[in-house]
Amino acid sequence: EAQVTQNPRYLITVTGKKLTVTCSQNMNHEYMSWYRQDPGLGLRQIYYSMNVEVTDKGDVPEGYKVSRKEKRNFPLILESPSPNQTSLYFCASSLSPSGADTQYFGPGTRLTVL
Amino acid sequence: RKEVEQDPGPFNVPEGATVAFNCTYSNSASQSFFWYRQDCRKEPKLLMSVYSSGNEDGRFTAQLNRASQYISLLIRDSKLSDSATYLCARDRGSTLGRLYFGRGTQLTVWP
Repeated sequence: EAQVTQNPRYLITVTGKKLTVTCSQNMNHEYMSWYRQDPGLGLRQIYYSMNVEVTDKGDVPEGYKVSRKEKRNFPLILESPSPNQTSLYFCASSLSPSGADTQYFGPGTRLTVL
Repeated sequence: RKEVEQDPGPFNVPEGATVAFNCTYSNSASQSFFWYRQDCRKEPKLLMSVYSSGNEDGRFTAQLNRASQYISLLIRDSKLSDSATYLCARDRGSTLGRLYFGRGTQLTVWP
């Protein structure tokens, strides 16, 4: 089944404790992206990648890191999480490297930082 | 200035009604536009892509008006299952890889 998977789905952590949210797609998509969704603010792009080893900042990259060592995986790293990073996170992938194509979203990761 | 603006609603309509949402955007260089549907606490899923003047898929019609810089979504004969949040999105023109999403319009269809 073609899909985007994220892990964990739910996470409660404390300020400053490094964490990684994994994202994997099995559709051989070139493009992958991370978004966060907050009430009243909608979906905001954090980072995106148009190809292996190619990543770039979105609208809200501060406090996040990403890597794209393999086509299928695009982990999101929070080196020192803070309460303002409490949010619902979505990973997405798209066949077109530009991302201007159907985006397939993962199920979301609900993160709470205390 | 918001890059993509949507009326957040909520829109509450009876079954069978026709409802329309608009989404205005600020970058005339955008080429690709989309409507996504998002159920509560779930991931967004593509409803329709809008690449030219518009397209139709069953009860759903999306239109693009480049002169006035807006896209619209028309839902005819609303069903209870249409209740969701509808997000519009656009590319960023010359900046590949970056997409703007609207904040979403909430629709509730009641029996």
